[in-house]
Amino acid sequence: AQKITQTQPGMFVQEKEAVTLDCTYDTSDQSYGLFWYKQPSSGEMIFLIYQGSYDEQNATEGRYSLNFQKARKSANLVISASQLGDSAMYFCAMREGPSGGSYIPTFGRGTSLIVHP
Amino acid sequence: DAGVTQSPTHLIKTRGQQVTLRCSPKSGHDTVSWYQQALGQGPQFIFQYYEEEERQRGNFPDRFSGHQFPNYSSELNVNALLLGDSALYLCASRGGARTDTQYFGPGTRLTVL
Repeated sequence: AQKITQTQPGMFVQEKEAVTLDCTYDTSDQSYGLFWYKQPSSGEMIFLIYQGSYDEQNATEGRYSLNFQKARKSANLVISASQLGDSAMYFCAMREGPSGGSYIPTFGRGTSLIVHP
Repeated sequence: DAGVTQSPTHLIKTRGQQVTLRCSPKSGHDTVSWYQQALGQGPQFIFQYYEEEERQRGNFPDRFSGHQFPNYSSELNVNALLLGDSALYLCASRGGARTDTQYFGPGTRLTVL
């Protein structure tokens, strides 16, 4: 079974509007972490935001926020006020096990976001 | 503060050859991981190095090997290259205050002909 599922292969959004990228995960661990990365066409994976399983508040980093719904095992990325430079692939990833330990991260297949002017 | 650096940026090899890719981690980071990313896929974990030892390994054959040096930099070696090894190879490092977050380098694009 897939540990990280990103069901939207492609998304389109108008500049300045908000967009939500979906991510669901599957783990039996109580301690885990969820990450979102952005990958422009240049190839570099850029860290956006992190949510730990014990964090009570949703993580936010500038225009990025993570809508964490633990019971539903979802960790959706919300990008507010989209910009043309947001056009890229977006990957959701998970760490299983205690924070700070050795772990093998699991990545989803990604969602391609295109921002229209 | 320099981020993760990788060299070379592009590489073309032929089947059966061997290749070495290099990575320097972000300053203050001591753990380096390598990933293979085929076109249209998410990154696949190859292995992770910490304190000059391989700590974790993904589902990759022994043709893939690595090394970490005392300054935390790392190499990925691939022997007996196959056409299917053509991919973007990403290096990521972590450590310091935010020990769980990995920061990636720009990648090395390997083409095997």
